[in-house]
Amino acid sequence: NAGVTQTPKFRVLKTGQSMTLLCAQDMNHEYMYWYRQDPGMGLRLIHYSVGEGTTAKGEVPDGYNVSRLKKQNFLLGLESAAPSQTSVYFCASSSRDRENSPLHFGNGTRLTVT
Amino acid sequence: GQSLEQPSEVTAVEGAIVQINCTYQTSGFYGLSWYQQHDGGAPTFLSYNGLDGLEETGRFSSFLSRSDSYGYLLLQELQMKDSASYFCAVSRARNTDKLIFGTGTRLQVFP
Repeated sequence: NAGVTQTPKFRVLKTGQSMTLLCAQDMNHEYMYWYRQDPGMGLRLIHYSVGEGTTAKGEVPDGYNVSRLKKQNFLLGLESAAPSQTSVYFCASSSRDRENSPLHFGNGTRLTVT
Repeated sequence: GQSLEQPSEVTAVEGAIVQINCTYQTSGFYGLSWYQQHDGGAPTFLSYNGLDGLEETGRFSSFLSRSDSYGYLLLQELQMKDSASYFCAVSRARNTDKLIFGTGTRLQVFP
């Protein structure tokens, strides 16, 4: 099993460009998440999904959109990138089968916006 | 607001014991988790406390006191490979869709 796979691993964008980050999981998890990680600020939740076809806002959703058309995939979109969105983005998934099921993280996407 | 406080950095030598504290103030609390992250890597789950007391998993233990809004991660018999960042995270509901992470503690283990 691959677990959680994120693509791309690295990306450089110019201000105003758009892009989509892809996340795929093969563990049949119901929940999926997008976090961003900035130095000294830990992991902050951008958007999450509790099932196929559903999404919800996290702590820092502005400037991002998401879609969960299939259970195994969770896409994060930046419509008009800004330098403030330079960060490391982590996708994660978890099961709803038991209390506080651990999050399984992908290896991250390092995004630089110039 | 929501806040989780951890020390920013801790240093120790191989074979020693180190404790990383976490105090929290959140709207709602269900449990406390700990994650480890090596430089350039992904966070990985270490432990979870849903009830007060100590949970032990090998060399790592985690403690929770709900009345004090406080928890800690205890690492024993430290090894060089334990050098990493450690994050506490609060669950505000049974499931993990409301997880809030602390800012992390960087542990450096010296020979």
